[in-house]
Amino acid sequence: GESVGLHLPTLSVQEGDNSIINCAYSNSASDYFIWYKQESGKGPQFIIDIRSNMDKRQGQRVTVLLNKTVKHLSLQIAATQPGDSAVYFCADLDYGGSQGNLIFGKGTKLSVKP
Amino acid sequence: NAGVTQTPKFQVLKTGQSMTLQCAQDMNHEYMSWYRQDPGMGLRLIHYSVGAGITDQGEVPNGYNVSRSTTEDFPLRLLSAAPSQTSVYFCASSHAGNGELFFGEGSRLTVL
Repeated sequence: GESVGLHLPTLSVQEGDNSIINCAYSNSASDYFIWYKQESGKGPQFIIDIRSNMDKRQGQRVTVLLNKTVKHLSLQIAATQPGDSAVYFCADLDYGGSQGNLIFGKGTKLSVKP
Repeated sequence: NAGVTQTPKFQVLKTGQSMTLQCAQDMNHEYMSWYRQDPGMGLRLIHYSVGAGITDQGEVPNGYNVSRSTTEDFPLRLLSAAPSQTSVYFCASSHAGNGELFFGEGSRLTVL
């Protein structure tokens, strides 16, 4: 299957600043990407997704950007809050099996400084 | 609204022992899956199911069995536990073809 990786394993930002978490993928056929947030001791939680026919998608305080030319996507968090401290995973859908399965990157740990 | 429920939350096994991790969901999701999470490795897919009576292997299936006799339940069986299976296991479910997985809280397994 394709690999999905993160540029940085850790990211530290000041409360109130914007955060940008990056992700690269290798399979040019990938057409669906998802971001998950995992707080300490909990299971991952869906944040936002984007399909390859879009370059940008916005949610509440989050924006995902997709650059298919360089096979890169990013998650932007506006006005980062202490509650945003977590590990963030990007994932894409691998259609190699009987149906699409999510392939996760290794994650970026976001720490928010008060 | 329970969502995805995993039991037990913690388990310690000796090498060679067998056990079953339970997973149940109450959202009538067709798709269920098991992932393991190891430090620095992210989440890796073990097995998955697209409906009752249908299961398939993921990226790291060796040493694990699954069955899907009902829509709600998807147990993961360790046949003969090995230290390499020490990990945190997550069960997840979704509607078929949907990337929005709902995860359980995880089961932390230690094999001595």
